[in-house]
Amino acid sequence: DAGVTQSPTHLIKTRGQQVTLRCSPKSGHDTVSWYQQALGQGPQFIFQYYEEEERQRGNFPDRFSGHQFPNYSSELNVNALLLGDSALYLCASSLVGLGSYNEQFFGPGTRLTVL
Amino acid sequence: AQKITQTQPGMFVQEKEAVTLDCTYDTSDPSYGLFWYKQPSSGEMIFLIYQGSYDQQNATEGRYSLNFQKARKSANLVISASQLGDSAMYFCAMRGGGTSYGKLTFGQGTILTVHP
Repeated sequence: DAGVTQSPTHLIKTRGQQVTLRCSPKSGHDTVSWYQQALGQGPQFIFQYYEEEERQRGNFPDRFSGHQFPNYSSELNVNALLLGDSALYLCASSLVGLGSYNEQFFGPGTRLTVL
Repeated sequence: AQKITQTQPGMFVQEKEAVTLDCTYDTSDPSYGLFWYKQPSSGEMIFLIYQGSYDQQNATEGRYSLNFQKARKSANLVISASQLGDSAMYFCAMRGGGTSYGKLTFGQGTILTVHP
């Protein structure tokens, strides 16, 4: 049973460029959440996708956008990259409707460096 | 708004001893969930334990237990019989709003170092 997978593992971009990160959820999961984790900090919630729609969004600018595909996989797009966007980007998947307890399974992350 | 506070930037423990990692939270939601995750240097977040706000008993998962004190809004993680492989960053997180799929709010984390 494959867990959450993310690609690429590492990425180096320059300021102003655009980047796309990809996530495949754990088998059977239908919800994908994205988090940004700056060095030495806790993860910060970016947004969550369910049924191909953005359901919740954290305090991130419109430069951050996403998409969920019919197979539940997801992409995170960041436009006009800034140095401050350098971080580990984590994807987490879960399944709606499991009751009050619903573990989010995290992927290994994509480490983005903006030069 | 939800907030998680972890006041211990770093903790040290001898192998085979127990250690407590502190976590306090703040929320106005009557229903919420509390999680602890372990993050090794590889970066992946590993789920350890969950406590629901209405659970009457403290959660336990093997060597991990959660000391839940609702009135004090604390959810401390206790690791018994520490092992060298327990050295990692530990995060306390909360999910509020009464949903089973909402966002997680994380604390700043505590770096645990286990000495032989």
